[in-house]
Amino acid sequence: GEDVEQSLFLSVREGDSSVINCTYTDSSSTYLYWYKQEPGAGLQLLTYIFSNMDMKQDQRLTVLLNKKDKHLSLRIADTQTGDSAIYFCAESISPDDKIIFGKGTRLHILP
Amino acid sequence: ETGVTQSPTHLIKTRGQQVTLRCSSQSGHNTVSWYQQALGQGPQFIFQYYREEENGRGNFPPRFSGLQFPNYSSELNVNALELDDSALYLCASSPKAGNYGYTFGSGTRLTVV
Repeated sequence: GEDVEQSLFLSVREGDSSVINCTYTDSSSTYLYWYKQEPGAGLQLLTYIFSNMDMKQDQRLTVLLNKKDKHLSLRIADTQTGDSAIYFCAESISPDDKIIFGKGTRLHILP
Repeated sequence: ETGVTQSPTHLIKTRGQQVTLRCSSQSGHNTVSWYQQALGQGPQFIFQYYREEENGRGNFPPRFSGLQFPNYSSELNVNALELDDSALYLCASSPKAGNYGYTFGSGTRLTVV
């Protein structure tokens, strides 16, 4: 079946790194995404990774994929107050297919 | 380049009523998907429209229906509203081919009382 699991809450001090973890069950998932949702806003695509990749880095964001364990993580370096949001892990079989989302991880930044 | 716009932003309806939500897709995008996001949950796929035809549907009853117009804008209609239909409804568009991830609108917050 299709399921995406992620922890619901993460608290990090400003300037530290944040690591948000996710597991998924569908082995046919080819595209894995991280979306960000700020209060009152829609979903913003942060980054994506193909299932044939192990890692992708984009400025402060690093995505790691362990396909064997179906584990995906998002690392945000030098976490800032503007990073406070809900982060959704998501997967799809193709870029045009429906996207299956986790319940989201609320990232709280401590001063 | 304009993004995805949805209207209205907020709506209150009474149980049993019908509602229509609207979405204008991003310029050049011919595929529109609708998602329901209940409070504290991730978005759930309702259905997708491609070139005015339904192109996939999630686990939602038939009282959830949609339309896509020649300009690729879209409507989501919900009949016989129930309290559990209260949610944020998100519209997302993509150019169908070669896209990696949809562009989402800010959503319509529907409250059913």
